[in-house]
Amino acid sequence: GDSVTQMEGPVTLSEEAFLTINCTYTATGYPSLFWYVQYPGEGLQLLLKATKADDKGSNKGFEATYRKETTSFHLEKGSVQVSDSAVYFCALDLTQGGSEKLVFGKGMKLTVNP
Amino acid sequence: DGGITQSPKYLFRKEGQNVTLSCEQNLNHDAMYWYRQDPGQGLRLIYYSQIVNDFQKGDIAEGYSVSREKKESFPLTVTSAQKNPTAFYLCASSPQGSEQYFGPGTRLTVT
Repeated sequence: GDSVTQMEGPVTLSEEAFLTINCTYTATGYPSLFWYVQYPGEGLQLLLKATKADDKGSNKGFEATYRKETTSFHLEKGSVQVSDSAVYFCALDLTQGGSEKLVFGKGMKLTVNP
Repeated sequence: DGGITQSPKYLFRKEGQNVTLSCEQNLNHDAMYWYRQDPGQGLRLIYYSQIVNDFQKGDIAEGYSVSREKKESFPLTVTSAQKNPTAFYLCASSPQGSEQYFGPGTRLTVT
């Protein structure tokens, strides 16, 4: 079935370090892909999305490119800040029987130290 | 302010009691969802509803029930049949064919 596999953490970085969080997917058809972020004690917020191959989503200095050939949607940021400490989830949308659902990866906890 | 509200933020119950978690949205979204989040498990879908008076089971529906009598409301009842109810519960909504928007969550502790 459709699934998302992402790097498992936790990961600790120093401020201004480069960040990559790997995400690969298995899906029939061409799903839309998403990165969500969850700050401590809160719900999830959409960080960025891409709806078709070669699309690049970007927001708050984060970027991810939809790569159909490698079935990947890796998240990158050139210089992380302490405020980026959060849990990051990769997800794809799944349309099944006329209903749309999201399939999430397990999430990766990032801590950024000053 | 448009958004999704979940109340309360923290909820404590004794084992054997049913408990209902509230989820309200004023975004005029058709679809609503309930997820359970456990450490290291990511999000797992409990129930979802595409329209009023209709809902479908997700991946872990056993021990839970829902209703969708109004477009803006999608309450979740955690019944005594749910074996491990202690978790963080997240409600979400979406317009058809678009990304989901999440509420702040309710942390349920059952002792």
